[in-house]
Amino acid sequence: NAGVTQTPKFQVLKTGQSMTLQCAQDMNHNSMYWYRQDPGMGLRLIYYSASEGTTDKGEVPNGYNVSRLNKREFSLRLESAAPSQTSVYFCASSGRQVLQPQHFGDGTRLSIL
Amino acid sequence: GENVEQHPSTLSVQEGDSAVIKCTYSDSASNYFPWYKQELGKRPQLIIDIRSNVGEKKDQRIAVTLNKTAKHFSLHITETQPEDSAVYFCAAPNQAGTALIFGKGTTLSVSS
Repeated sequence: NAGVTQTPKFQVLKTGQSMTLQCAQDMNHNSMYWYRQDPGMGLRLIYYSASEGTTDKGEVPNGYNVSRLNKREFSLRLESAAPSQTSVYFCASSGRQVLQPQHFGDGTRLSIL
Repeated sequence: GENVEQHPSTLSVQEGDSAVIKCTYSDSASNYFPWYKQELGKRPQLIIDIRSNVGEKKDQRIAVTLNKTAKHFSLHITETQPEDSAVYFCAAPNQAGTALIFGKGTTLSVSS
């Protein structure tokens, strides 16, 4: 039982490049989330998906898009990466009730030069 | 608006002392309050949570208290140990009740 799996673990991009971060969970959870974590800023919600087929903006959605491909997978796309998007990105999922405890992946460390 | 304030941002204690971290939230309808521990370079992990129908919950050396009138909740760690050193985050629901908003974190250092 892997829980929440994120790929890649590390990535370096140049400004203007595009990239998709992948996330998959094997706990049959309805809800999935993308957060970014910056020093001194805590975890900020980018986008979330309360159920398969739905997505909603969080606190900091600008510059990102998401796709809830199926119940297991929730991807985050940067269409034109900017240095301000350098961060650690965490995917999370939660169970049948939206606000059940969230299980996090190991994170993706993304640097944009 | 949606806001979760967490204090203090850093906390240093001696081994065996107690540590208290406090969070305030803005939405009076909020009903679920988890706490996460994040060790350096690792993922956040849930350590305890409380729902609004109870005022206190304990799990061994950790406890969470909730004051709905004042809209704040606190994490209490007793008999701290060096392995308690980590960043602790509180969280509360957004206004729609569909996602969690996190505080900015408290870095706890326990020295032996």
